[in-house]
Amino acid sequence: KAGVTQTPRYLIKTRGQQVTLSCSPISGHRSVSWYQQTPGQGLQFLFEYFSETQRNKGNFPGRFSGRQFSNSRSEMNVSTLELGDSALYLCASRAQGVSTEAFFGQGTRLTVV
Amino acid sequence: GESVGLHLPTLSVQEGDNSIINCAYSNSASDYFIWYKQESGKGPQFIIDIRSNMDKRQGQRVTVLLNKTVKHLSLQIAATQPGDSAVYFCAEKTEGQNFVFGPGTRLSVLP
Repeated sequence: KAGVTQTPRYLIKTRGQQVTLSCSPISGHRSVSWYQQTPGQGLQFLFEYFSETQRNKGNFPGRFSGRQFSNSRSEMNVSTLELGDSALYLCASRAQGVSTEAFFGQGTRLTVV
Repeated sequence: GESVGLHLPTLSVQEGDNSIINCAYSNSASDYFIWYKQESGKGPQFIIDIRSNMDKRQGQRVTVLLNKTVKHLSLQIAATQPGDSAVYFCAEKTEGQNFVFGPGTRLSVLP
């Protein structure tokens, strides 16, 4: 079956703009998590959605938001972009369960100029 | 807060040798641990996992060891190959919480 799909793969935006990233989880997976990966901070958890509800949230400002649709696809939005938002944004999907592995997409490389 | 950390940021091994990548975690309530491999330009790829009720788990050429007494996790790769060159992350999970990832160790396999 198809893996986690993230679009677009690459994105260049200007400071102050907003951006929307998309993630399609593995079929049947209802949990979608978003992570920000930078060389300095590593992988940092943004938020998790399950059945269209935000279940967990990391320590990121309100400029970072997300949502999940009824088909489990998820989007994350970053408003008023800052240079420091340049990063690889990774989406991971999990099957329902207490402790199950997370399957990652290839990520969206966002560059803010 | 609680975090997962790695002892070494880089590791170089000769092709054919065994590799050991270490990870320290601080949340004693974590009940699930995963090792991921991330190659350049790709997302993290699952390697092996282990639950807190186990001490050791083996996969194909990989073994994960969990020492709950000292909160230590290690990944052993047997007969390391050039294709094993990547960044390796450990991650811990506590029930009701999300995964917390370590900073990663870059493994370089020398010919």
